[in-house]
Amino acid sequence: GAGVSQSPRYKVAKRGQDVALRCDPISGHVSLFWYQQALGQGPEFLTYFQNEAQLDKSGLPSDRFFAERPEGSVSTLKIQRTQQEDSAVYLCASNGVGRETQYFGPGTRLLVL
Amino acid sequence: QKEVEQNSGPLSVPEGAIASLNCTYSDRGSQSFFWYRQYSGKSPELIMSIYSNGDKEDGRFTAQLNKASQYVSLLIRDSQPSDSATYLCAVVLVGGSEKLVFGKGTKLTVNP
Repeated sequence: GAGVSQSPRYKVAKRGQDVALRCDPISGHVSLFWYQQALGQGPEFLTYFQNEAQLDKSGLPSDRFFAERPEGSVSTLKIQRTQQEDSAVYLCASNGVGRETQYFGPGTRLLVL
Repeated sequence: QKEVEQNSGPLSVPEGAIASLNCTYSDRGSQSFFWYRQYSGKSPELIMSIYSNGDKEDGRFTAQLNKASQYVSLLIRDSQPSDSATYLCAVVLVGGSEKLVFGKGTKLTVNP
């Protein structure tokens, strides 16, 4: 079956612009995670959904970051008024009920100029 | 102290050798441990998961877990140039939702 998909794959934004990053998890996976990976670092947790409920948003770095998953499938990560320090790869992952193994999408590489 | 620590490397081994990658974690109650491989410019790909003390083997890969020492390792036997990548250790912390906490990764190069 299809894996986790993300779009766009690359995004260049001018500082101050708003961006929206989309994640389409594996069909049937109830848990969805967003991570941020800076160059040369491991992924850092941002937020976690179980179905449509956002159960943990402790990793969101500021109130400029907002995530939603209104129907429990596709999720959108929105970054308002982007800053240069937001430049990173944004990874989405999902897993099924009772499964801890997370499967990652290809990521969105965001560059803020 | 970071929650998950790895030697950042780089680690360089000749083709055919055993590559040994190490990881320590701070949360003594952690129960779930993962090794991901990440090629440059790509997303993490699961190599191994391990939940119990001891060894778990899958082909050329062996994961080793020692909860008393809070240590998990990955051995790659008969290393191939295609194994050259960054290896990420990830842990699910107790009471930390289901999120993965990653180490910084160890960059492995296998020389032909």
